[in-house]
Amino acid sequence: QQQVKQSPQSLIVQKGGISIINCAYENTAFDYFPWYQQFPGKGPALLIAIRPDVSEKKEGRFTISFNKSAKQFSLHIMDSQPGDSATYFCAATIPSGSARQLTFGSGTQLTVLP
Amino acid sequence: NAGVMQNPRHLVRRRGQEARLRCSPMKGHSHVYWYRQLPEEGLKFMVYLQKENIIDESGMPKERFSAEFPKEGPSILRIQQVVRGDSAAYFCASSPTGAQYFGPGTRLTVL
Repeated sequence: QQQVKQSPQSLIVQKGGISIINCAYENTAFDYFPWYQQFPGKGPALLIAIRPDVSEKKEGRFTISFNKSAKQFSLHIMDSQPGDSATYFCAATIPSGSARQLTFGSGTQLTVLP
Repeated sequence: NAGVMQNPRHLVRRRGQEARLRCSPMKGHSHVYWYRQLPEEGLKFMVYLQKENIIDESGMPKERFSAEFPKEGPSILRIQQVVRGDSAAYFCASSPTGAQYFGPGTRLTVL
């Protein structure tokens, strides 16, 4: 079954701290794992993505860690800032011809306290 | 380069009316995806289209919902005879291949 489980549902972090959001998947055919950031009233914005042949990808303060054997991946936000307060979604997709529908996690509402 | 555009941003309909949501993909993108987001939930895939073709509609309800992406003009998601359960945010995303870029969404409220 194509399903992505995301935790925690909500997260509160102090400014300067590390925010960690975890996702687990079941379908080993998934081959692309993006993270999206969504502010209230806005559409999701692509933040960072990884493929399963890489164990870690870093872009600025954002890092994805990927554990293929455990079928888990996580987003780490270093030096978290109040401006990072948003809802974060992990997602996964499989190659199906030219169609690559995204399967989303349920989201994590991150609040970074000043 | 303008991003994905959706209109209207907010749409209010009474039960039984029709809702038409429009999506203009980013320039050069020929793939359009529609997703629905219920309050406090993640996005759920509805349909994937390329110009003049529906490629995958496995996530779309069998009745009342339809989508098109004509040769000219925006992609349209049409919901006929709306019910209160259709109230949600509807997002489209466009893609050249691979990464999907989302529009700001249309928030549909059914009274």
